Amino acid sequence: QVHLVQSGAEVKEPGASVKVSCKASGYSFTHYYMMWVRQAPGQGLEWMGIINPTGGSTHFAQKFQDRVTISADTSTSTVYMELRSLKSDDTAVYYCTKFDFASGGDFWGQGTLVTVSS
Amino acid sequence: DIQMTQSPSSLPASIGGRVTITCRASQDIAHLLAWFQQKPGKAPKSLIHGASSLQSGVPSRFSGTGSGTDFTLTISSLQPDDFATYYCQQYVIYPFTFGPGTKVDL
Repeated sequence: QVHLVQSGAEVKEPGASVKVSCKASGYSFTHYYMMWVRQAPGQGLEWMGIINPTGGSTHFAQKFQDRVTISADTSTSTVYMELRSLKSDDTAVYYCTKFDFASGGDFWGQGTLVTVSS
Repeated sequence: DIQMTQSPSSLPASIGGRVTITCRASQDIAHLLAWFQQKPGKAPKSLIHGASSLQSGVPSRFSGTGSGTDFTLTISSLQPDDFATYYCQQYVIYPFTFGPGTKVDL
């Protein structure tokens, strides 16, 4: 069965960077995109970006365009999301989700809490 | 960006009752709409894709309709496990924007 296992919680100071991983199993990794979505405390879901692991093409929401990198390692079936120049309002749970146009975002990781605080 | 709106923002409901949530897109998204259920402290769960197709394992009391700009999620007979927040998401054009959510509670 499909599993998306994310890395553990992080605490970072303002201005630092964070890199969250998402290891996939149970399906053909290169046949599906991976999206990243975040959720600030008490808030709704916010789409950040997406990667096609085959070739590594990415698309990002404009508000993250200059600060985020999404990458994929096909040898380990792992996708990474790096967010730079962290601010306090980047405090959120970050989710990866497997996606294709035939079935939408059908499986989600467990989430990774990133806390930005001095 | 495509703006997604949902109504109502909160919805008092009772066990066995029928629940209908509306989602509206700011432009035509054809049928490329998904619905998710989220409980506190948990990752979202996919319910419906393609506006009306149930994900595997989702109970048949959930249904989705609509195309273009107007969509609905219906729960035909609300069960205790259905008290949650529901989000719609369009996936026709980047960024794949979400609606603000509808909280279904007692």
